Amino acid sequence: QQQVRQSPQSLTVWEGETAILNCSYEDSTFDYFPWYWQFPRESPALLIAIRPVSNKKEDGRFTIFFNKREKKLSLHITDSQPGDSATYFCAARMSNYNVLYFGSGTKLTVEP
Amino acid sequence: EAAVTQSPRNKVAVTGGKVTLSCNQTNNHNNMYWYRQDTGHGLRLIHYSYGAGSTEKGDIPDGYKASRPSQENFSLILELATPSQTSVYFCASGTGKGDTQYFGPGTRLLVL
Repeated sequence: QQQVRQSPQSLTVWEGETAILNCSYEDSTFDYFPWYWQFPRESPALLIAIRPVSNKKEDGRFTIFFNKREKKLSLHITDSQPGDSATYFCAARMSNYNVLYFGSGTKLTVEP
Repeated sequence: EAAVTQSPRNKVAVTGGKVTLSCNQTNNHNNMYWYRQDTGHGLRLIHYSYGAGSTEKGDIPDGYKASRPSQENFSLILELATPSQTSVYFCASGTGKGDTQYFGPGTRLLVL
């Protein structure tokens, strides 16, 4: 049973466009949603995170939109750059537990 | 900057052999985690620990044991390695509830 689902599996955009990565989850007790990114041959690293008390979190060109009612969130990357090419993982943490459930990832390619 | 190291970085093992993957963190984090990463599955949690002497089962613990002898060290043990355990293994550490997980560089394991 996959707790966190991501779509699409892969996405290609042109430099300067907005990339939209989607995520959905099953359990309404999840209370923390980080996004990690992973560059080829490197380890995952935290990019940005949101808690359900907010419906939006912004950090530069990266914005999380959160819809608690529909159990969905999305990561928007505006003015995409070739250096943003990476695999992006949505994750969720269950309240009172210190473990993260990761989605299967979206591989983003930004073409110059 | 959190520092998590893993050894070995690459390992070739034979079916039925014993494999030990080691992880060390120097940031005094209470929580440590072992994940495996396979194409199409993202990061899946194998075992985790809340501190020295504690180990907990994650989502896919079958075929793996874990050991946390100290705050700094967390090992993953494959008593009888099988080809299905060929994967990239990541160790991570974190301070606690809701905090960032810091990943090590990964270990590539090939079981022949």
